[in-house]
Amino acid sequence: EVVMTQSPNSLAVTLGQPASISCRSSQSLVHTDGSTYLNWFQQRPGQSPRRLIYKVSNRDPGVPDRISGSGSGTDFTLKISRVEAEDAGVYYCMQGTHWPPYTFGQGTKLEIK
Amino acid sequence: EVQLMESGGGLVQPGGSLRLSCVASGVTFTNGWMSWVRQAPGKGLEWVANIKQDGSERYVLESLKGRFTISSDSAKNSLFLQMSGLRVDDTAMYYCTTGSYWGHGTLVTVSS
Repeated sequence: EVVMTQSPNSLAVTLGQPASISCRSSQSLVHTDGSTYLNWFQQRPGQSPRRLIYKVSNRDPGVPDRISGSGSGTDFTLKISRVEAEDAGVYYCMQGTHWPPYTFGQGTKLEIK
Repeated sequence: EVQLMESGGGLVQPGGSLRLSCVASGVTFTNGWMSWVRQAPGKGLEWVANIKQDGSERYVLESLKGRFTISSDSAKNSLFLQMSGLRVDDTAMYYCTTGSYWGHGTLVTVSS
């Protein structure tokens, strides 16, 4: 089973400042088909998860371009260039390369100051 | 608009059974995969099971095999999760998801 480890566990960022969340996998997420199946999800308080990014860097419809994903192999990053109040919540990375099972990171709680 | 609507959760005693349902609208239920993901109170996300929408392949989290079964009915655009031998640590919100779309979840509480 692939273990996903996020850091930090929580962060508090001032409105308008950048935020960055790291996700590391216990083995490379490059699939034999050449794609890397690493997704990012946001879960606002009291809401269902929402996918933000798929295959490392592709934004889902409606996701603002101040949110971006990058990385390769075993190291990935979610960046928010300028945080807004609506960005508060918990962020999860998830790998879909070596499944079953799909595995999630433990989550990173983002607080907006 | 894609909507996923879960139902079937509730309070059940340890050892009991529940059948969760998820009805999809706005999405074709004949290709791709559907999954159940759960979240224990105050905890992170855990993948439970998935099924190819034609029913030809299905997988369940290893630790849940023998107790949880996933199935689907493409004619009814529905996904199911049959849970038996429920334990206290199965208490969670259970979400139905295509990956990109998620339902609001149905809460399963296992308690005596």
